[in-house]
Formats: sequence, C-alpha cells, structure tokens
Amino acid sequence: AQKVTQAQTEISVVEKEDVTLDCVYETRDTTYYLFWYKQPPSGELVFLIRRNSFDEQNEISGRYSWNFQKSTSSFNFTITASQVVDSAVYFCALSVSGTYKYIFGTGTRLKVLA
Amino acid sequence: GAVVSQHPSWVICKSGTSVKIECRSLDFQATTMFWYRQFPKQSLMLMATSNEGSKATYEQGVEKDKFLINHASLTLSTLTVTSAHPEDSSFYICSASTGTNEKLFFGSGTQLSVL
Repeated sequence: AQKVTQAQTEISVVEKEDVTLDCVYETRDTTYYLFWYKQPPSGELVFLIRRNSFDEQNEISGRYSWNFQKSTSSFNFTITASQVVDSAVYFCALSVSGTYKYIFGTGTRLKVLA
Repeated sequence: GAVVSQHPSWVICKSGTSVKIECRSLDFQATTMFWYRQFPKQSLMLMATSNEGSKATYEQGVEKDKFLINHASLTLSTLTVTSAHPEDSSFYICSASTGTNEKLFFGSGTQLSVL
C-alpha cells in the first residue's frame, strides 16, 4: 500500500524566512512519481513539481527547491525568502507509474506573516 | 497547458435534492478523470476513477448509488450527488490526465453545502 506523510500540520514564519515542508512516502513499487501542489484559499490545486523515482536530482525553481532522497523516502520542499503570497496549504502526493491515482498527504498549512 | 474546468464553483441545496457537478477538459481529451473529496482542513481523498464509455471505479467506502459518475465523452465527466444530506457537504474536485507523464490537471473545485 502507498502512503504519504506530512507531519507538519501548520507552520508559521515571518516574511523573508526560509521554510522547509517535509514529505515522507511509502511504496513498494520501484517506479513512482512524487508531486507537490499548492492550494491557496480559493481552493484550486496549483501544480508545483513532479519527480519520478529514477531522478534523484534536486531541483531549484526560483525561490522553490526540492530535495528528493530515496534512501529516506523523503521529498522535501523548501521556500527561500518566503512571501505572504506563499501562504497556502501545500500537499505532497505519490502515484504509482501508470495508475494516475494520486495518494495525497494531509497537507501542511503555511502561514507567512508580514 | 491543459485546462480543466469545473462547474459550479459552489452550490447550496436543500437536503434530499440532487446536485450535478461537471468536469470538462477544455483543450485535451481525457480518457480518465478522477473525483476527489476534501473536508475542511483535511486532505484530498480519491472517491472514484471515471473512464470514458465505461463504469466508474469507486474507492472502498464510497457509495456508488450516492455518487453517480458519468463519463459520456472524452471531455466531460459528471458527478451527481443524489439525495444530498448535510454530511455530503464538502469540497469536491476533479482531475484529468492527458495520458502522458503521470501529471494530473485539476479543476478549481466545487464547494457543496447541503442545508
């Protein structure tokens, strides 16, 4: 069975601080995909990143960076110099290759204070 | 990028009535669509997988007679909440795949409130 754990329920930071959102996953499959989505108060899910299980390269996109470590089954997300507009719920998700069925974590609510 | 349109954005209905939610892929054909449910401050739970031209596959614990799913075309899937009750009040969100790269595109969601 697959499982995604986001242990941090809510995080509050002051603007310009760096913040890391943790994601730990479980799967017995060797081919899978990991995702991060942002859900602002309006409700829609905004795609941030997709990573397949064979690509452990870390990625940086502007203020966002992701650290994928298969050895610890983690796919952590860091926001550098956080801004108020980053306030949202962030979901980590896992899908097994070919299924398109996403297993979502419980989400981390990030509050960035001005 | 691929766009998924979901309507309505919010709906308020009386207990006992049925509500239909539409999910459309605007610029691509989606052989498979997914319906999720999200309670306040909780995660998204997969309800069912909707396949064009065939019956939907429901996740364990989801009542198929309660949540009717129809995927009549490659661009449209509908979720009908039949005989809605207050406990059905929730945020429903659909998603669709283009069939490549494991990426899902999500609709903007529907907030259902049953009085």
